[in-house]
Amino acid sequence: AQSVSQHNHHVILSEAASLELGCNYSYGGTVNLFWYVQYPGQHLQLLLKYFSGDPLVKGIKGFEAEFIKSKFSFNLRKPSVQWSDTAEYFCAVSSEAGSYQLTFGKGTKLSVIP
Amino acid sequence: DAGITQSPRHKVTETGTPVTLRCHQTENHRYMYWYRQDPGHGLRLIHYSYGVKDTDKGEVSDGYSVSRSKTEDFLLTLESATSSQTSVYFCAISERRQGMNTEAFFGQGTRLTVV
Repeated sequence: AQSVSQHNHHVILSEAASLELGCNYSYGGTVNLFWYVQYPGQHLQLLLKYFSGDPLVKGIKGFEAEFIKSKFSFNLRKPSVQWSDTAEYFCAVSSEAGSYQLTFGKGTKLSVIP
Repeated sequence: DAGITQSPRHKVTETGTPVTLRCHQTENHRYMYWYRQDPGHGLRLIHYSYGVKDTDKGEVSDGYSVSRSKTEDFLLTLESATSSQTSVYFCAISERRQGMNTEAFFGQGTRLTVV
């Protein structure tokens, strides 16, 4: 089976601080990896995705993530956060182990203080 | 945003009553999913469909059933609602390309309260 762990439940940062949210997955085979964002009261929106190729993936709104296969990790980064980045962030994995369905982590709530 | 419509958006129902939530897509995607979102649990898959009349169970399927009679519609039914089914329910869609599922697109969600 596949699983996803997000290390931080709640992260609080000041504006302009750098962000890194951890994500580890369990399956050792081929995986597709995703980061989704959920703004308060809204649905999930795709931030970025990794299917293959360059392990450094750039997404929308200045976010990027790096796939490190040896560490089973797909951490999300942003060099300088803004108040508008306040949201909940979900890492997700899709693989043969999960019949190619998305399995989500429990989410990390990010609060950015102006 | 992907063409996904969930109805109703909000519902309050009594324990023991049946409830049906509807998801309608205009993208002609093959895969449709129902997730529930609860604080501290993230999103958990209830059921999914990989084609008309083709469905399978997810992680938390007990107490739920689904049907897909048309490509565009995926219904989630709570046969006899319980308070533990109070949650926010999200429908999602995706496609299959090169042997893997593409990213999922989500609907706006249905907030269900069972009293």
